[in-house]
Amino acid sequence: EVQLVESGGGLVQPGGSLRLSCVVSGFNFDDYAMHWVRQAPGKGLEWVSGISWNSKSIEYADSVKGRFTISRDSAKSSLHLQMNSVTSEDTAFYYCAKDSSYGGTILRNYFDFWGQGTRVTVSS
Amino acid sequence: DIRMTQSPSTLSASVGDRVTITCRASQNINNWLAWYQLKPGKAPNLLIYQASDLERGVPSRFSGSGSGTAFTLTISSLQPDDFATYYCQQFDTYPYTFGQGTKLEIK
Repeated sequence: EVQLVESGGGLVQPGGSLRLSCVVSGFNFDDYAMHWVRQAPGKGLEWVSGISWNSKSIEYADSVKGRFTISRDSAKSSLHLQMNSVTSEDTAFYYCAKDSSYGGTILRNYFDFWGQGTRVTVSS
Repeated sequence: DIRMTQSPSTLSASVGDRVTITCRASQNINNWLAWYQLKPGKAPNLLIYQASDLERGVPSRFSGSGSGTAFTLTISSLQPDDFATYYCQQFDTYPYTFGQGTKLEIK
């Protein structure tokens, strides 16, 4: 059974940092690209960032570019999102999602499995 | 960025009804479109990919159609478990973008 479990959310002050993690099981983590998607309170879904299976291709939404860094750890089958210089606009539920394509490019693939999310609140 | 526009934003329907949700892209995305179902406290669930392919394990009452800029998600006979929020997503071009969501409510 495929499972994705996010952690690391919480309350952070504006301008602060937070590191989200997503531990996966039930599939070979090394073979798939991974993504972060968020949902702000009362809003729709927003794709945040994606990383290819080999970490050579990385994409960011303009809203987080230069502030957030996506990475992956093969040894721990985990995906990470380092969030720096956060603002109230970053308050959201953050989901990690598995890319559908086996060992392929990071482009033109949908998300076939998601985690239940971790809540991030930016407030003083 | 490609803008995805869903309609309606809210849909009230009854068990057994046939419902259709529309999604329009601001430019041609061929069939690079997926539909997801969201329920509070649960992981989002992939329903349809490549505009019309049913994800494994998803009931056959769900179907998708369209190509280019106009797409639809149809539920042929609503079941109690289907009351949720639905999102379309284009995966043609980065940044991937979602529609604003359609909340399906019990009438």
